[in-house]
Order: sequence, then C-alpha cells, then structure tokens
Amino acid sequence: DGGITQSPKYLFRKEGQNVTLSCEQNLNHDAMYWYRQDPGQGLRLIYYSQIVNDFQKGDIAEGYSVSREKKESFPLTVTSAQKNPTAFYLCASKGQGDTEAFFGQGTRLTVV
Amino acid sequence: AQSVSQHNHHVILSEAASLELGCNYSYGGTVNLFWYVQYPGQHLQLLLKYFSGDPLVKGIKGFEAEFIKSKFSFNLRKPSVQWSDTAEYFCAVFGFGNEKLTFGTGTRLTIIP
Repeated sequence: DGGITQSPKYLFRKEGQNVTLSCEQNLNHDAMYWYRQDPGQGLRLIYYSQIVNDFQKGDIAEGYSVSREKKESFPLTVTSAQKNPTAFYLCASKGQGDTEAFFGQGTRLTVV
Repeated sequence: AQSVSQHNHHVILSEAASLELGCNYSYGGTVNLFWYVQYPGQHLQLLLKYFSGDPLVKGIKGFEAEFIKSKFSFNLRKPSVQWSDTAEYFCAVFGFGNEKLTFGTGTRLTIIP
C-alpha cells in the first residue's frame, strides 16, 4: 500500500536534547513538507523540499533542521534552539502538477 | 509572501442552517486550492480541491466551494449542516512556482443539535 509514514506516534524528550522525527513515503512524490500544528494556529510550514538534496525554509524554520538525502525520506530534527518544541508535527508529500497532498498520521512531541 | 486567511475563528450554528466559511489567499501566480476537515480526535481529511476549470467544486459530505480569482477567495459552503459537521476546517493554497503548500489558521465549527 502506498502511503506516508511518520514515526514514532508519541515522543518524549528532555529539554536541551535534539530529537529527530521520521517521515517516509513510497508514493514517488517529489515534494515533501513538515508542519507544526498548535491549537488555534492551524498548520504552520516548517520546511519543505521539492527534490532530493534541496530544501527551503518555511514560515517557522528557526530551531529546526531537515535533510533530503533520499526521495523517500525527509527527517526533521527539532534542536535545542527551538523555544517551544512541544507540539503535533505533520509530514506531507505531494506529486507534481495538479495533485493533492497526502499526510502522515503525525508525531506528538512532548519536551519536559 | 504566500499566505491564507480564514477570518472566522469559531462559528456556531444550529442544525439545518446554511454554512459559509471564508478563505482568502495571497499569491500572484497559479494556484491549487484545498479545504481539509479535522474531526475531533481525528486526522486531516480532504474535503474538496480546485485545480482548474469550473470554479465551483463539489466535495464530500455535501460541501462545495467557489473559487473567485478576482477576489483571491475560495469560500466553503454547505446548504444545511448536520451535528456531525462539528469539526475544524482548514483552507490551503499550493503556489506553482514556489511549490509551497500553505494553510490557514482554521475555523472551528460547532453545530448545535
């Protein structure tokens, strides 16, 4: 079955630690996206990538980093520089042209 | 900069009332437009999409939206809401050229039985 997989579903980390969220897709999509969802703020774009080895900052990139070494994978690292990392993180992928985006199930990160 | 505005933050309606949720976007080029719904405790689900052609698009569960290019708007409508429509609704725009997919802040819809 084609789809987009995020892991883990729940993640707990201590303050000051970096943490990496996984996102894998087998839809052969070129574009991938990372969002953060907070109550009342919708989905805010963190980073996105149109092709392998290339990515762009979204609207709230500070304190985050990404890599795109393979077409299928777009991991997000939440660094210790992110002031308020506790949130729900969603990954999406999209094919070229007039196509819809597909979303993973999300990872809920809690930093204590 | 590409952005999406949803002016209604929380809408409360009685069952059978008509619904219209506003969505305006800013982007100078060609766009694809989407409405997503998130039911309580559930994940995002695509309601409808506009790619090209007829500006009036129909989606699932009786929802429709109209793309008015001159107003940069893509409002969501439903003639008669049901209690089960209680959810959060998100408008999104994909901009060709920058390939960004940007969401609005969402509208929480509460339907009173």
